[in-house]
Amino acid sequence: GAVVSQHPSRVICKSGTSVKIECRSLDFQATTMFWYRQFPKQSLMLMATSNEGSKATYEQGVEKDKFLINHASLTLSTLTVTSAHPEDSSFYICSARRNGGSTDTQYFGPGTRLTVL
Amino acid sequence: SQQGEEDPQALSIQEGENATMNCSYKTSINNLQWYRQNSGRGLVHLILIRSNEREKHSGRLRVTLDTSKKSSSLLITASRAADTASYFCATAGAGSYQLTFGKGTKLSVIP
Repeated sequence: GAVVSQHPSRVICKSGTSVKIECRSLDFQATTMFWYRQFPKQSLMLMATSNEGSKATYEQGVEKDKFLINHASLTLSTLTVTSAHPEDSSFYICSARRNGGSTDTQYFGPGTRLTVL
Repeated sequence: SQQGEEDPQALSIQEGENATMNCSYKTSINNLQWYRQNSGRGLVHLILIRSNEREKHSGRLRVTLDTSKKSSSLLITASRAADTASYFCATAGAGSYQLTFGKGTKLSVIP
């Protein structure tokens, strides 16, 4: 159990367009999900904490108007990269905390590779 | 801000040898976790060690934690080619469930 999926796994878009990435907890409920960004050969950087039914909390330096997060249900959080530019090209990974489970454990999705041309 | 720092950045060993990776951090933690990431893939949780624990085992994995030195090590014994991946440590502070990741160690196990 405790599977997290992401869709799409890869996306290529033109500069100026918006891209939506979905993060789903398949077999558990998650009030809290996290979005990370990973540049090539680098570590994961936390972008924001997504809370079901409330506004996301963004890390310093992350533009909330550019990276829109919606956590409308206990199993789905979406990240929309608005007006994407080549510098937004990255690997985006989500994770989810299982409701009622250990607060220490996050379950990670397989990631979405975004390429902006 | 990133807290964990792993060393070495890259490690290449022969199959069957042991691999040791180290992680240092700067602030107080509630727990420290190790993850594996195969190239271009998501993260796989390996092991979690709490701040009041000193050593933990899971199969071929052995993790140590020294809170006085703010450091942890991950030992993989009898390495296999399938262990080739990047390994990250991640820390969670007291009262927080947010994870701060280190820069990672890229392990290559040569058959």
